Order: sequence, then structure tokens, then C-alpha cells
Amino acid sequence: EAGVVQSPRYKIIEKKQPVAFWCNPISGHNTLYWYRQNLGQGPELLIRYENEEAVDDSQLPKDRFSAERLKGVDSTLKIQPAELGDSAVYLCASSLSNYGYTFGSGTRLTVV
Amino acid sequence: SQQGEEDPQALSIQEGENATMNCSYKTSINNLQWYRQNSGRGLVHLILIRSNEREKHSGRLRVTLDTSKKSSSLLITASRAADTASYFCATELSTSGSRLTFGEGTQLTVNP
Repeated sequence: EAGVVQSPRYKIIEKKQPVAFWCNPISGHNTLYWYRQNLGQGPELLIRYENEEAVDDSQLPKDRFSAERLKGVDSTLKIQPAELGDSAVYLCASSLSNYGYTFGSGTRLTVV
Repeated sequence: SQQGEEDPQALSIQEGENATMNCSYKTSINNLQWYRQNSGRGLVHLILIRSNEREKHSGRLRVTLDTSKKSSSLLITASRAADTASYFCATELSTSGSRLTFGEGTQLTVNP
């Protein structure tokens, strides 16, 4: 079974440019999460989807971040415009209810 | 904000020794989970312990949960060099639905 697939693996962009990350969760997992992990810290939730619905986006900086999950499967996370402080690893995860999450390998974003 | 706090922040041991990592949290939880993260990779789910459980085992891993003290411990027995990684505890709160909140992790180094 393929795990959670994320792309790209690495991205370097200049500040003020847009960037997008893509996630394909495990088949059948209706819950999808985007987390951000700064260096030396634990991941922090940005947004959680139940199927197509964003049910928890309270920590998503909505002025520059947006996300979508079309047809309740793949998801994209976008930043526009990117700032230096957005440099981090962006992790996607999926889960079935009442069990552990499966994380992708993440996208390491560097904003210069 | 981080819900869990791991202790110690870093731990260095010799192969064959046991490693113990602790996690404290602040509010009532549904469950507590432990994850491992190798450098530059995504998180791997190790074990989930529910709030009504006190101890769980999985291979060389032993997790305890003390809800009265709001703390958990992860014990890795007979450590191997391949166990070198960061270990995170994450709590699913009673009031947050399906959202995991991570601590800042313990960096474990197992020397051959």
C-alpha cells in the first residue's frame, strides 16, 4: 500500500512569490491534515479536512495561506505571497478514526 | 501552542542500553500517541494509548500513561543505532475532535 505522497520534496523560492504543495493521502482515509514543522520543533496543525470539508482551520494564516481538497481525496496547500518566516517543512497526514496518523515525507520550503 | 512537553530534550546512550523519554501535558485527553522522526523525513506512528489505558507494549517499546499526573513515558529497550531519531508525543484532546497537538520532541542518539 502506498503511503501518503507529497510533492515536491524540496522547494526554494524568493519571498513574495507563490508556492503550492500537493498531497495524496492513503486511499480510504477520509481525514487529511496539513501540519507545519519549524526546525527543532514539533509539527503544528494548519488545517484538517473531513472529506471535502475544512473542519478545523483556526490556525491557518488566512491572509496568505489557502487550501483545498477537491472530491475529498488529493489536497493542495498554497502560500501567496511567501515570506521568509514561512520557511519550514510542510507535512501532510491522513487517518481513519481513532487510530494513528500516517504522515508523508513532507515538503521542505526555503524562502530566500 | 504546544500541549505536550518532552523531557529530556536530548538523550545520548550506548547500544544495548534502555532509553526513557517522558511527556507531560496540560488538559484532558482522548489518547496520547508517540511518533518517531528520522532526520529529514516524515513522522512514523509508533504507538497509541487511550486515556483509559495505563500501559501498552509493542516490540521493544513500552508506553505508560498516568492521567492523574498528566504524563506519559516511552521506554525503548535494548536500543540500537537505528533507533537514533527524534521522538514526539502527541495528544488528542477531549475537546478538540480529531486534532493532534505535538510536543517539541526528544532527540535520541544511540552510539554503536
